[in-house]
Amino acid sequence: AAGVIQSPRHLIKEKRETATLKCYPIPRHDTVYWYQQGPGQDPQFLISFYEKMQSDKGSIPDRFSAQQFSDYHSELNMSSLELGDSALYFCASRDFRGNTEAFFGQGTRLTVV
Amino acid sequence: AQKVTQAQTEISVVEKEDVTLDCVYETRDTTYYLFWYKQPPSGELVFLIRRNSFDEQNEISGRYSWNFQKSTSSFNFTITASQVVDSAVYFCALSEGPTGGFKTIFGAGTRLFVKA
Repeated sequence: AAGVIQSPRHLIKEKRETATLKCYPIPRHDTVYWYQQGPGQDPQFLISFYEKMQSDKGSIPDRFSAQQFSDYHSELNMSSLELGDSALYFCASRDFRGNTEAFFGQGTRLTVV
Repeated sequence: AQKVTQAQTEISVVEKEDVTLDCVYETRDTTYYLFWYKQPPSGELVFLIRRNSFDEQNEISGRYSWNFQKSTSSFNFTITASQVVDSAVYFCALSEGPTGGFKTIFGAGTRLFVKA
């Protein structure tokens, strides 16, 4: 069965650079969630989208933005990267009407040097 | 306020021992879901189990079993006859219903070391 696809799997950027992470949800899933997991921490909710509209917002820095496109894939854009942005970034998707859990992708490991 | 509490930060056991990971949750929703995920050193989140708030049946899957008790807001996870490959961080998580947007709230995780 198709799963949530995240790309790239690994990314190395320098401070003050910009990074874009992509998430391709499971087919027919209309809701996407982004999470950030710092070293030794639990995943923290950043933002979510339903039907291309932002549905909820967590502790997402102002330097970060995200959107969901017409094909339901989502992109997380991070600008002016800081060393503290180094983390695992997870995307999860769910079928809003399916009353099921969200399914997580394998994550993107971002390292800021 | 922390909604999912995993009081055990680290647990170390010897292979073949049984181990229970504790999880206490807090929610005002009547509809919610509870999960356990395993995170090996490679980093991916491996889904282990999902329970909805209306199903208090305990579940066993091989060496894994889960005890869901709404009366104490607990969802504990037991590994029987632990193996070295069970070494990982285990997260208990809560997904609240419509009022919470079904986003997942994780506990702080319990790091399990299984020694040979």
